[in-house]
Amino acid sequence: TQLLEQSPQFLSIQEGENLTVYCNSSSVFSSLQWYRQEPGEGPVLLVTVVTGGEVKKLKRLTFQFGDARKDSSLHITAAQPGDTGLYLCAGPPHSGAGSYQLTFGKGTKLSVIP
Amino acid sequence: NAGVTQTPKFQVLKTGQSMTLQCAQDMNHEYMSWYRQDPGMGLRLIHYSVGAGITDQGEVPNGYNVSRSTTEDFPLRLLSAAPSQTSVYFCASSYGSRLYNEQFFGPGTRLTVL
Repeated sequence: TQLLEQSPQFLSIQEGENLTVYCNSSSVFSSLQWYRQEPGEGPVLLVTVVTGGEVKKLKRLTFQFGDARKDSSLHITAAQPGDTGLYLCAGPPHSGAGSYQLTFGKGTKLSVIP
Repeated sequence: NAGVTQTPKFQVLKTGQSMTLQCAQDMNHEYMSWYRQDPGMGLRLIHYSVGAGITDQGEVPNGYNVSRSTTEDFPLRLLSAAPSQTSVYFCASSYGSRLYNEQFFGPGTRLTVL
């Protein structure tokens, strides 16, 4: 079973601060996805990273996929209250049977205080 | 385009009762899945389907049944509800790409079993 470990588990910061959350595994993933889940709603896909070393930007959010494709990070610049939510990383297995089954990390719960 | 819809939004059951959680998608996605989300446990896959007439078990299938008679619908049946099934249930669909399998989630059903 491929596991994704996310850290920190909880993060509470003031509006305007920068932050980074991490998603790590001992296994190689063919791609990694990041989702944001707001209270009472389902997760919504933010981005998919595919190539080792890839960096993708989505406004104030910067996503990076590790060179070995075993880890990823999400950096938020100048956090805003609207960034509050649960951030989940997920990925399909590198190869083999069950490739449709995503593995999810347990998430980082972010609170941005106005 | 409604995306993924789930009904009901909330449900309270007594131990031993049965019920069906409904899920429908209008994106013509081949792949559909059911997850449960519990505090500290993250999203866990219950059952999934790679197309009409094809279903398979995920990580936590016991106590649940599924069927996929059409591309659009993927109901989840609780055979005899137990307090351990108190959770938030999410249905998701995707194009079924083995490489990415990016998921589109419904809004969830919050189930309480007394």
